[in-house]
Amino acid sequence: KQEVTQIPAALSVPEGENLVLNCSFTDSAIYNLQWFRQDPGKGLTSLLLIQSSQREQTSGRLNASLDKSSGRSTLYIAASQPGDSATYLCAVSPLNQGGSEKLVFGKGTKLTVNP
Amino acid sequence: KAGVTQTPRYLIKTRGQQVTLSCSPISGHRSVSWYQQTPGQGLQFLFEYFSETQRNKGNFPGRFSGRQFSNSRSEMNVSTLELGDSALYLCASSPGPYNEQFFGPGTRLTVL
Repeated sequence: KQEVTQIPAALSVPEGENLVLNCSFTDSAIYNLQWFRQDPGKGLTSLLLIQSSQREQTSGRLNASLDKSSGRSTLYIAASQPGDSATYLCAVSPLNQGGSEKLVFGKGTKLTVNP
Repeated sequence: KAGVTQTPRYLIKTRGQQVTLSCSPISGHRSVSWYQQTPGQGLQFLFEYFSETQRNKGNFPGRFSGRQFSNSRSEMNVSTLELGDSALYLCASSPGPYNEQFFGPGTRLTVL
C-alpha cells in the first residue's frame, strides 16, 4: 500500500530565505508526483507535476525534483515571501490502478514565512 | 477557462439526513475524482469517474455514493449522515489519465 510522508509537519522561516520541503513515498511504482498548495479553508492549487520519467520541474521560484528509485521528492522555494505561507501537499499517482487517476496524499507541510 | 466549480460551498446538516454535493469540471475534462479532507486523516480518496463510469472507489462505507453525467458533471451523495462526516469535500478534474489534476474550492460540510 502506497504511503506518502511529508516532513516537517510545520516550518517557519524569515522572509527571503530559500527553503526545501520534503516528500517521501514507499512504493516507487508511480506515474507521476504532484505538488499542491492549500490556503486555509480553500481548495488545492496545483504547483508542479513531475512525470515518473522526469527528474525535475521548475515554475518561477519553485523547483521540484523527483528521485523515484529512492522514493523522494523535494520542493525548493527560492527567496520566500509572506504570500508563500500555506500548506504544501505532495501526492503520487500509483501504477497498477487500471488507469485510475487516484492520488495518494501526504499530510502536508504548513509553511509560515515571517516578514 | 473556468476552473472546477463546486456547489454548495457550505452546508450544515443534522445527523441522519442526506446530502448531495455537485462538481462541474473544467470544460473538456472527462475525469472527476472526489476526496474527503479532515484534520485527522488528511485527504482521502472517495471515488473517481470517467465517461460516466466509476473507475475506482476508496475505502468508504456504502453511504457514500456518486455518479457522473454525460456532460462530465458529477454529484456525490452521503446518506444517513454521521458526525464524523463533517469535512471539506474536494473535487478534482483532469483531461485524462496521468495528467495534471485541478481541484475545486471544496464544499464544507458540517454535521450537527
